[in-house]
Amino acid sequence: DVPLVESGGGLVQRGGSLRLSCSASAFSFSNYWMHWVRQAPGKGLVWVSRISNDGSWTDYADSVKGRFTISRDNAKNTLYLELSSLRVEDTAVYFCVRSYYTYDLDVWGQGTTVAVFS
Amino acid sequence: EIVLTQSPLFLPVTPGEPASISCRSSQSLLQSNGYNYLNWYLQKPGQSPQLLIYLGSSRASGVPDRFSGSGSGTDFTLKISRVEAEDIGIYYCMQALQILTFGPGTKMDIK
Repeated sequence: DVPLVESGGGLVQRGGSLRLSCSASAFSFSNYWMHWVRQAPGKGLVWVSRISNDGSWTDYADSVKGRFTISRDNAKNTLYLELSSLRVEDTAVYFCVRSYYTYDLDVWGQGTTVAVFS
Repeated sequence: EIVLTQSPLFLPVTPGEPASISCRSSQSLLQSNGYNYLNWYLQKPGQSPQLLIYLGSSRASGVPDRFSGSGSGTDFTLKISRVEAEDIGIYYCMQALQILTFGPGTKMDIK
């Protein structure tokens, strides 16, 4: 089993919306913080958002605050990222990542690609 | 926001030889509990990043012991005692003391 599998990426027009999902397996999802990290084509890693294990705490990078919303469904072992008011600069591979504490991001999904065109 | 800088940005290596990468933080990553909130990751070509080192010097599960992390406060180093061909890729440092940020990456390639 691949522990984290992202889906939901695609091609979307500037200003549009998208919902990414990350399905978790083979570990106790509800015990872990979860993060989204993105990587623009040919660029480095940029942390986007995180959510606590019970969903009560969320944080966002300034670049996405007010436009992206992270959530989770522990009954379905699934993490979500709602993307809205998309900009061309949001084009990237989006990885979901787990961490037991807030700092030990140890397992990464394979990523899902979001491409925003103008 | 804590800014991380890495050097060098490009590192040509010879298999069997040692290698090291530096990561410098704009603020101290040492918390009062004695831990430095600095991780190292390797992203091999076409793959997702993998955790190598966390809390400055703790090797992640399954990581070969040729990888080691050291440093404290604002200056950190990742060392590879003897580089192997499978070690090529981009190395990133990441701080987790505040909102997470990554360094720009160091691209390691074979000479």
